[in-house]
Amino acid sequence: KQEVTQIPAALSVPEGENLVLNCSFTDSAIYNLQWFRQDPGKGLTSLLLIQSSQREQTSGRLNASLDKSSGRSTLYIAASQPGDSATYLCAAYAGNNRKLIWGLGTSLAVNP
Amino acid sequence: GAVVSQHPSRVICKSGTSVKIECRSLDFQATTMFWYRQFPKQSLMLMATSNEGSKATYEQGVEKDKFLINHASLTLSTLTVTSAHPEDSSFYICRGAPGETGSTEAFFGQGTRLTVV
Repeated sequence: KQEVTQIPAALSVPEGENLVLNCSFTDSAIYNLQWFRQDPGKGLTSLLLIQSSQREQTSGRLNASLDKSSGRSTLYIAASQPGDSATYLCAAYAGNNRKLIWGLGTSLAVNP
Repeated sequence: GAVVSQHPSRVICKSGTSVKIECRSLDFQATTMFWYRQFPKQSLMLMATSNEGSKATYEQGVEKDKFLINHASLTLSTLTVTSAHPEDSSFYICRGAPGETGSTEAFFGQGTRLTVV
């Protein structure tokens, strides 16, 4: 059974820091992996989708990597800003029907 | 990008009443709609998957008679929480996919915060 774990659960950093959020999954037979952002009481915003054949994706200050063999994905945020404060979720597409399996998220606070 | 419009964003209802949540795909045909809920400090959990014109497939532990899902058209799916109880209070969110079940191209609604008092 696929399980997704995110570390750390919470993170508080000063503005300007570069930071790394970690996501691990137990079954390397994932289809794709996706990172989302969730703001309090709001829906989800897709940040980056990494296809199973890819090793990384970049969008602006965000870079996500995927290492299927080790069961890990990382989200790198460069030069963090207070507007980056949110909960970051990773989700693995797994199984024959490619269901999304979600991590609990990392709650990020970037302090001005 | 494609948009899924979910309403209402927040609803408070009395215990025993029913609440309907709508998700509309505005610029694509949502062949498949996924419904999730998220309890505080827990991860999103898939409740059910529906394909347009077919009965929804419910995940283990989700009562199909309590959470009624209708996906009668390619642009509209509804989730009705019947006889709501305080333990149904949660964040509900839909995800519409234009392709076959499990397509990784999918778009989320804004979510509905349900509070049952």
